[in-house]
Amino acid sequence: GAVVSQHPSWVICKSGTSVKIECRSLDFQATTMFWYRQFPKQSLMLMATSNEGSKATYEQGVEKDKFLINHASLTLSTLTVTSAHPEDSSFYICSASLLGLAIAYNEQFFGPGTRLTVL
Amino acid sequence: DAKTTQPPSMDCAEGRAANLPCNHSTISGNEYVYWYRQIHSQGPQYIIHGLKNNETNEMASLIITEDRKSSTLILPHATLRDTAVYYCIPSRGGTSYGKLTFGQGTILTVHP
Repeated sequence: GAVVSQHPSWVICKSGTSVKIECRSLDFQATTMFWYRQFPKQSLMLMATSNEGSKATYEQGVEKDKFLINHASLTLSTLTVTSAHPEDSSFYICSASLLGLAIAYNEQFFGPGTRLTVL
Repeated sequence: DAKTTQPPSMDCAEGRAANLPCNHSTISGNEYVYWYRQIHSQGPQYIIHGLKNNETNEMASLIITEDRKSSTLILPHATLRDTAVYYCIPSRGGTSYGKLTFGQGTILTVHP
């Protein structure tokens, strides 16, 4: 159980276009989803925390108008990279916390990641 | 958030125990110690967590010192599939504080 999927697994786009990445919790409901970014040979960096039905909380230095996050249901969060540029090329990973269990401790289940390449 | 120090890399022979240390001397009383790992080009995978007591599950054991300033993750019989980056992460529980701050981790390489 506790499977998180991401779609697409990889995407190549032209500079200036927008790309949407979906994150789904397949067999559980997630009150909170997190979005991370990972550049080559670096660690994961948290971009934003997304709670179902409310606005996302962005980490310092992350542009909220460039990285649009929507968490419309307990099983789906989307990240849209608007007007993508080559420097946005990265590995984007989402995670989800189990409803209820997150109150006691914080076990996050991670998706497989989406590799974005902007030409 | 508490700072962590982990060795950048470690090697282990297949079938032997892998002991991965982590120093978290500034951990606060309400922070758990979480261990995750990331196999190349995949999302991280939860391994184990603990607060004060030692913990064991089907994947690993976690030994936390009495003063909670350090911990050791033990993979009892390492396999080639355990080659990954291992992250030690202090974090409070609950959705409001559930952020995970990933450091550089330890690259564990398991050799045949």
